[in-house]
Amino acid sequence: DTEVTQTPKHLVMGMTNKKSLKCEQHMGHRAMYWYKQKAKKPPELMFVYSYEKLSINESVPSRFSPECPNSSLLNLHLHALQPEDSALYLCASSRGQGAEKLFFGSGTQLSVL
Amino acid sequence: QKEVEQNSGPLSVPEGAIASLNCTYSDRGSQSFFWYRQYSGKSPELIMFIYSNGDKEDGRFTAQLNKASQYVSLLIRDSQPSDSATYLCAVKGNTPLVFGKGTRLSVIA
Repeated sequence: DTEVTQTPKHLVMGMTNKKSLKCEQHMGHRAMYWYKQKAKKPPELMFVYSYEKLSINESVPSRFSPECPNSSLLNLHLHALQPEDSALYLCASSRGQGAEKLFFGSGTQLSVL
Repeated sequence: QKEVEQNSGPLSVPEGAIASLNCTYSDRGSQSFFWYRQYSGKSPELIMFIYSNGDKEDGRFTAQLNKASQYVSLLIRDSQPSDSATYLCAVKGNTPLVFGKGTRLSVIA
């Protein structure tokens, strides 16, 4: 199994809603990542988990809250988002944080109204 | 600030031609270099990686690395309309992967 699975594929939410994005991999990878990508821009790193511990937070606003319940799962909890947070949210995994090859999930296209 | 620069394009080539995509990077400590392909509305897909100076070939794709000049390139031989996509160069040193802004390739049938 070489897939990173993300759900949902599409999400529309209001600014007062609370929602969660989910990501799962069964490749035995020990590093997992959240990226945000706006149209016609490159992916921007948000968070890195290594061995289920948060190792990098790229100064992301607290309305985004990551969680890594176990080595296969990664969640991103969303609360009080702004319309400018609308973007494609990508989960990725790699063998370890120092390992270079990232495998991306298909992404969640998020629209904040 | 570690930077990865790419020409945003669009780069248009006729079907069957060679497409040449270029990327320069600022961090001399960079060790690993990657090319991702991203179709519109889809996620990036790793297509090539290279660690050492020189060329690396995989099917129709060739990655070229010149660390002294701090550039990495991707050649696509016999370009097909299905190769039309944005190609992201990504570079890694001791920090997380840094992506370029991508080059949009259009292969004209």
